Amino acid sequence: AQKVTQTQTSISVMEKTTVTMDCVYETRDSSYFLFWYKQTASGEIVFLIRQDSYKKENATEGHYSLNFQKPKSSIGLIITATQIEDSAVYFCAMRDMNYNQGKLIFGQGTKLSIKP
Amino acid sequence: NTKITQSPRYLILGRANKSLECEQHLGHNAMYWYKQSAEKPPELMFLYNLKQLIRNETVPSRFIPECPDSSKLLLHISAVDPEDSAVYFCASSPQVFTGQLYFGEGSKLTVL
Repeated sequence: AQKVTQTQTSISVMEKTTVTMDCVYETRDSSYFLFWYKQTASGEIVFLIRQDSYKKENATEGHYSLNFQKPKSSIGLIITATQIEDSAVYFCAMRDMNYNQGKLIFGQGTKLSIKP
Repeated sequence: NTKITQSPRYLILGRANKSLECEQHLGHNAMYWYKQSAEKPPELMFLYNLKQLIRNETVPSRFIPECPDSSKLLLHISAVDPEDSAVYFCASSPQVFTGQLYFGEGSKLTVL
């Protein structure tokens, strides 16, 4: 079955440091798409960054970047120069084209706290 | 995110009927209803592509979706149950199988 696992329930780091959040996934498809979303304290769900499985280069978007290790079915999110407003719950998610027919499957989320 | 609007934002119900509304101004083909219970990730309820319902997860029959046009999505709820207390998110994506989803602000339902 398709599955997305985030083992880190919560992380706390100091402001202006770099943090990495882990995510592993399971899929039968050879083509799939991986995403990271941020859910703020107000409940808003915001798309951050995406990695297409056929692309070898790690995606980057502003101070977000990905560590895509396809053989390990792993897609880590790296946030550099963290800011207080980065405090939120981060969800890893996956879509595939065939087995799940477009369904976006979420991990359980990692709560990130940035300390001043 | 004002490009996907949901209404109402908050509703408190006893065992009553109510409809949630969503409208996207992104020109996307696919639209979704997700349910997020407390401390849980969002879970897919329904998926529409070009106004056609193509995915219907295991959802109680008291939830009935409707897609009157490609930019609007409705969720009719009848005789709500306390387990229905959650935030209901509307989302859209350019295509049904690929690309990221964009989420509305959510409608928080509290069942008394």
